[in-house]
Amino acid sequence: AQKITQTQPGMFVQEKEAVTLDCTYDTSDPSYGLFWYKQPSSGEMIFLIYQGSYDQQNATEGRYSLNFQKARKSANLVISASQLGDSAMYFCAMREYGQNFVFGPGTRLSVLP
Amino acid sequence: DSGVTQTPKHLITATGQRVTLRCSPRSGDLSVYWYQQSLDQGLQFLIQYYNGEERAKGNILERFSAQQFPDLHSELNLSSLELGDSALYFCASSVEGKYGYTFGSGTRLTVV
Repeated sequence: AQKITQTQPGMFVQEKEAVTLDCTYDTSDPSYGLFWYKQPSSGEMIFLIYQGSYDQQNATEGRYSLNFQKARKSANLVISASQLGDSAMYFCAMREYGQNFVFGPGTRLSVLP
Repeated sequence: DSGVTQTPKHLITATGQRVTLRCSPRSGDLSVYWYQQSLDQGLQFLIQYYNGEERAKGNILERFSAQQFPDLHSELNLSSLELGDSALYFCASSVEGKYGYTFGSGTRLTVV
């Protein structure tokens, strides 16, 4: 069974607008971490944000925030004030305690001028 | 610079050949992970080493092998290469007990 689901293969957003990238996950482990990575066309994987399963507050890192809804098992990434440089593939990933990362299929975000 | 170093950045080789990809983890990290990213398969976990020992194995083909040396650098050996092995190969490292990985910039392998 797919542990990480990203239902949006591609998204478009106008520059300076906010955009939400969806991610749902599946686990029965109470201890896990959720991550978002950005992969620009150059190929490197850039860590954006982390949310622990026991964290009470939603994680924020600059223009990135994670909308964590534990009961719904969702961990959506919100990018505020989109910039042209945000155009990239975005991967949601989960790591259960003692296990390895599992990645979703990714969402390709295109920011329009 | 993430602190995880992968060499080479690009590699073009012929079918049937053997290549070695190298990874130096971030200073202090004992765990090294190898991932394969191909267009149709997404990011697939291959293998993990921790302080020289194999810790976990994922979807790694028998034609592929890896090891981690005493200085903690790791090598991924790919042999009898096929066209379908063309992919971006990532190495990542982490501190034990911490959730996060730090990725290297990847090695893009093209098999022709």
